[in-house]
Amino acid sequence: EAGVVQSPRYKIIEKKQPVAFWCNPISGHNTLYWYLQNLGQGPELLIRYENEEAVDDSQLPKDRFSAERLKGVDSTLKIQPAELGDSAVYLCASSLDPLRGSGTGELFFGEGSRLTVL
Amino acid sequence: AQTVTQSQPEMSVQEAETVTLSCTYDTSESNYYLFWYKQPPSRQMILVIRQEAYKQQNATENRFSVNFQKAAKSFSLKISDSQLGDTAMYFCAFSSYQGAQKLVFGQGTRLTINP
Repeated sequence: EAGVVQSPRYKIIEKKQPVAFWCNPISGHNTLYWYLQNLGQGPELLIRYENEEAVDDSQLPKDRFSAERLKGVDSTLKIQPAELGDSAVYLCASSLDPLRGSGTGELFFGEGSRLTVL
Repeated sequence: AQTVTQSQPEMSVQEAETVTLSCTYDTSESNYYLFWYKQPPSRQMILVIRQEAYKQQNATENRFSVNFQKAAKSFSLKISDSQLGDTAMYFCAFSSYQGAQKLVFGQGTRLTINP
């Protein structure tokens, strides 16, 4: 079974440029997450989708960040314009809903997209 | 809001030794999940071990075991017979049982296993 796939793995851009990250979750996982991980820190949730609906985006800086999950499968996270402080790893994860009896609460993570803003 | 605290930023042990990583958390819920995730250098985060709060028995996965103290809100990870491949960042994480599967992570412990 294929895991969570993210691209690109690495991205270097100048400040004020736009950037986009793509995520393909594990097939059948209805919940998708984008986390931000600063160097040496634990991940922090940016946004959580249940199917195509964003159910928790309270930590997403909406002035420059946007996300979408069309058709409830793949997702894209965009930053426009990027700032120096956005340099970090952007992690995508997916899971099954434990309330449906088929999930365990476990999140499955992709390898992450490392962004460097110069 | 739930919080997770890992008080050991870095730890280092010799190969084959046993090491214990500490984690405390704060929540008002009675049912929840607790996890330890491992993140090797430049590699993806993977689950090490999982505990459901309603289960009194401590979870065990091969060389990995936890000491879950619900009243004290403590969830430590013990790695026995440590191996070089155990070198990684280890994150303790909390998740509500009520369907809001938002994982809240601690700050992480960088574990180095020395040959």
